[in-house]
Amino acid sequence: KQEVTQIPAALSVPEGENLVLNCSFTDSAIYNLQWFRQDPGKGLTSLLLIQSSQREQTSGRLNASLDKSSGRSTLYIAASQPGDSATYLCAVRLDAGNMLTFGGGTRLMVKP
Amino acid sequence: DTAVSQTPKYLVTQMGNDKSIKCEQNLGHDTMYWYKQDSKKFLKIMFSYNNKELIINETVPNRFSPKSPDKAHLNLHINSLELGDSAVYFCASTKQKGTGGGYTFGSGTRLTVV
Repeated sequence: KQEVTQIPAALSVPEGENLVLNCSFTDSAIYNLQWFRQDPGKGLTSLLLIQSSQREQTSGRLNASLDKSSGRSTLYIAASQPGDSATYLCAVRLDAGNMLTFGGGTRLMVKP
Repeated sequence: DTAVSQTPKYLVTQMGNDKSIKCEQNLGHDTMYWYKQDSKKFLKIMFSYNNKELIINETVPNRFSPKSPDKAHLNLHINSLELGDSAVYFCASTKQKGTGGGYTFGSGTRLTVV
């Protein structure tokens, strides 16, 4: 059974800092890994999707890496802004089946 | 707009009632899902459904049932609602594997049982 863990659970940083969010998963037989953002009371917005054959994906100030063999992914946010404040969720889709398994999320607050 | 749409956005109902939440996707995706987000914000799969297969998470009570009139719709029916059913329910969809396979989520339905 796939388990996904995100560390830290919460993070507070001053504006402008670069930061790294961590995600680990127990079953390395993954199809892909997806990072989402969730604002309070809102739905999930997909940020980055990394296929199992890829090592990283970039979108603007966001960079996600994937090390399948060690069961880890990181989300790097450069030059953080108050608008980045949200919960960031890591989710893994296995080779077998279609379901997505989520981590518990990292709640990020960027202070002006 | 291409999206996953859920209705209603908010649902307040009394214990014991039966209710439905509707979901539609116009993305041409093959598989649809229902996820539950509890008070601790943890997201857990409830159902996965395409036109060939329904997979039910074993922890989901049989008071919950998905109903799919066609490939673009997956509705969630809940019978005999309980206080513990209060949560946010998200619908999602994906393409079949081999074509990218990223998930798209709806904006959620906040269910409150009183």
